[in-house]
Amino acid sequence: EDQVTQSPEALRLQEGESSSLNCSYTVSGLRGLFWYRQDPGKGPEFLFTLYSAGEEKEKERLKATLTKKESFLHITAPKPEDSATYLCAVPNSGGYQKVTFGIGTKLQVIP
Amino acid sequence: SQTIHQWPATLVQPVGSPLSLECTVEGTSNPNLYWYRQAAGRGLQLLFYSVGIGQISSEVPQNLSASRPQDRQFILSSKKLLLSDSGFYLCAWNRQGRVQPQHFGDGTRLSIL
Repeated sequence: EDQVTQSPEALRLQEGESSSLNCSYTVSGLRGLFWYRQDPGKGPEFLFTLYSAGEEKEKERLKATLTKKESFLHITAPKPEDSATYLCAVPNSGGYQKVTFGIGTKLQVIP
Repeated sequence: SQTIHQWPATLVQPVGSPLSLECTVEGTSNPNLYWYRQAAGRGLQLLFYSVGIGQISSEVPQNLSASRPQDRQFILSSKKLLLSDSGFYLCAWNRQGRVQPQHFGDGTRLSIL
């Protein structure tokens, strides 16, 4: 069974304090991994697709990396507006239509 | 550009009443369409998905049903709501093909009284 585990469940940072979120996965034949940002009361907003181990993607203060077993979302010098829940997801082993989501990491950045 | 519309944003319904939530996508054709439910502190639970008009796959046995009467329209329904149907419902779409990210609407907060 495909599984996605995110850690920590919650993270509190001071503004400017860099850190990383972890997403570990168990899937047969990884074909990609997605990162999303979700604000309270809203749907997830797509951030990145990583296709293979070693790949990196950047967007403003966010940088996503991928290994054969896990992905990291690095947040450099975060601002309060980066506060959100960050979700990762992987396409299921059985087909491309479905994905398995992690529960997410709730990030709070304090001014 | 593509957009996804989901309505209503919030809904309060009595137990035993019917339900109809609608989702439409603009700016693309023949998308895959999805309905999810998200409970507090839990991950996204896939309820239904559709790869084409009239084609519905159900993931979880439940009190809900889905229909896709048009290419870019996806409807979530129930004949009689249960208290356990309360939650945050999300519609999503993606392109056909390999490793396509899903794009979500803003969700419907459903409360059953």
